[in-house]
Amino acid sequence: SQQGEEDPQALSIQEGENATMNCSYKTSINNLQWYRQNSGRGLVHLILIRSNEREKHSGRLRVTLDTSKKSSSLLITASRAADTASYFCATDLLKGGYNKLIFGAGTRLAVHP
Amino acid sequence: KAGVTQTPRYLIKTRGQQVTLSCSPISGHRSVSWYQQTPGQGLQFLFEYFSETQRNKGNFPGRFSGRQFSNSRSEMNVSTLELGDSALYLCASSSRTASYNEQFFGPGTRLTVL
Repeated sequence: SQQGEEDPQALSIQEGENATMNCSYKTSINNLQWYRQNSGRGLVHLILIRSNEREKHSGRLRVTLDTSKKSSSLLITASRAADTASYFCATDLLKGGYNKLIFGAGTRLAVHP
Repeated sequence: KAGVTQTPRYLIKTRGQQVTLSCSPISGHRSVSWYQQTPGQGLQFLFEYFSETQRNKGNFPGRFSGRQFSNSRSEMNVSTLELGDSALYLCASSSRTASYNEQFFGPGTRLTVL
C-alpha cells in the first residue's frame, strides 16, 4: 500500500502562475523526496528534505515539511510549459529498511502557454 | 558521470514466458533498487541490492527475483509472466556514502505481456 497521498490529483494552470502540490504520509520518515516524471519516462530527482528540515529551495522549487502534520508541499514558481509532468513525493521510512522509497499517487500538472 | 542505464527499453512477451531486465548504476553507486509502475498500483518497491546482497524486499510474489553482480550491475527476472506484469520497471541507484537515500532513476524498461 502507498504511504503518501497527494493532492490535487491533477492541476491545470497558465504559464507564469505558481503551482502547489501537497503530500501527506502516515509513518515517521528519514526524509521526503520529490520527483518529476514526463510521460511514463524515468523519474527525475528534484529535491530531498530531511526530517529535521522545515523548508528547502532549489531554483524555482520550494519544499516545506511539517512532520507534526506528516505533510509536505512542493511549490513551483513562475511555471513554464516545460514543467508539464507528473510529480511524486516519496518517503524514506524511519523503519522501512534500506533505500526503500514509498511513493504517493502523484499530481499531474499541466501548464498551458 | 553517466546516469543510470536500463536495457532493454521496451520488451514484448507472452504469458508464461520469463524475462530478464538489466540495470547499470551510476559509477561508484553500490545500491540498486527496483520499482514497478502501473496505472492501477502506482510506483511500488520491488527489492534493493547492495554489494551483491538483497537487503530489502517489497510485497511481490516469488516470480520476481533479482541479483547484483560484483560491478554493481543488477538484473531482475520475472518468471511465468502474467498479463498484470505489464508495467514500467524502473531501477534506481544510490551512493552508500550519502547520509540520506537520494536515489537516481534510469529511464525504465516498458514490459508488455500479451
